[in-house]
Amino acid sequence: KQEVTQIPAALSVPEGENLVLNCSFTDSAIYNLQWFRQDPGKGLTSLLLIQSSQREQTSGRLNASLDKSSGRSTLYIAASQPGDSATYLCAVRPNDYKLSFGAGTTVTVRA
Amino acid sequence: NAGVTQTPKFRVLKTGQSMTLLCAQDMNHEYMYWYRQDPGMGLRLIHYSVGEGTTAKGEVPDGYNVSRLKKQNFLLGLESAAPSQTSVYFCASSLQRISNQPQHFGDGTRLSIL
Repeated sequence: KQEVTQIPAALSVPEGENLVLNCSFTDSAIYNLQWFRQDPGKGLTSLLLIQSSQREQTSGRLNASLDKSSGRSTLYIAASQPGDSATYLCAVRPNDYKLSFGAGTTVTVRA
Repeated sequence: NAGVTQTPKFRVLKTGQSMTLLCAQDMNHEYMYWYRQDPGMGLRLIHYSVGEGTTAKGEVPDGYNVSRLKKQNFLLGLESAAPSQTSVYFCASSLQRISNQPQHFGDGTRLSIL
């Protein structure tokens, strides 16, 4: 069974600092990996999707890397802003319909 | 630009009552999913559907039933609510099974069972 772990569970940084969020998974047989953002009381918004054949994806200040062989992904957020405060969820997709989610990392960016 | 819409947004039930959660999507997506999210845990898949008239069990299906009578709607039913079903329920949809398109999520239904 695929297990997805996100450490730390919570993170607090001053504005302007770069954020590094980690995701690890136990089964490297995945089709893709996605990073989501969840604001309080809201649903999930997809940030980046990395196919298993890719090493990284970038969107603006966000960069996600994937090392499938070691079962790890990292989400980098450059020059953090208070608006980046949210919970970030990692999810991996095996070769079927399901997404296996981590429990998330709650980020607070202090002004 | 509605995307995925869930109704209701909040509900409080008594143990043993029944209810139906509605999910509607306007993106012509084939695949739809119901998840539950509990504190300290990731989202867990309850049931999913790969097209109109089809449903399948996910990771935690017990105590729930679903129906997909129309392509745009996916209903989640609780026949006899239990306190263990207190959770936030999310519906999602996607264009196709294996693609580079992510799942799109609704804003959730917060359900409390007393």
